[in-house]
Amino acid sequence: DAKTTQPNSMESNEEEPVHLPCNHSTISGTDYIHWYRQLPSQGPEYVIHGLTSNVNNRMASLAIAEDRKSSTLILHRATLRDAAVYYCIGGAGSYQLTFGKGTKLSVIP
Amino acid sequence: SQTIHQWPATLVQPVGSPLSLECTVEGTSNPNLYWYRQAAGRGLQLLFYSVGIGQISSEVPQNLSASRPQDRQFILSSKKLLLSDSGFYLCAWSVLALYGYTFGSGTRLTVV
Repeated sequence: DAKTTQPNSMESNEEEPVHLPCNHSTISGTDYIHWYRQLPSQGPEYVIHGLTSNVNNRMASLAIAEDRKSSTLILHRATLRDAAVYYCIGGAGSYQLTFGKGTKLSVIP
Repeated sequence: SQTIHQWPATLVQPVGSPLSLECTVEGTSNPNLYWYRQAAGRGLQLLFYSVGIGQISSEVPQNLSASRPQDRQFILSSKKLLLSDSGFYLCAWSVLALYGYTFGSGTRLTVV
């Protein structure tokens, strides 16, 4: 897996957009970028993944830089339920994902 | 639809006692199965993964072992627990890591 770098923590006001950055400068050309989030006292849940093009789903959008060395997870309107630790994973072995420490997102009412 | 069951939700065990945590998956065949541990305030550490019955790969040397006696059953065990075994244990399954993991609800283990 590629080494990823994320800020330890971020804050957002409720109902405002949130941009969570991730650097993965060592990512290979075939490595997907995955995002998971972990709510307190729960297991991580899948958020989104992509390879080269920007991706959208009901939870979030993923913007991938043209050189693929970084990506940004976008939550369009943060809610209190989005307060969680967000993990960016650059690449995956065939059988495993390696989780870093992630970014703890706090949402302020 | 696929579901993953993990139990118990919480467990308090004395040092030196044995451990058995069970995880089962429904609605899929031949899943890849994983055990992760998360110590307090730390990230997720992959402990074991299995790509088939009886096939176990260990990521870190430790006081724990894993077994996969059936296709959709994954068991985490210890003969003698240590204080350092305390943590949040998570089971997960996938078809391929590329397609995403589904995690169970976790077991919070406190060794006293």
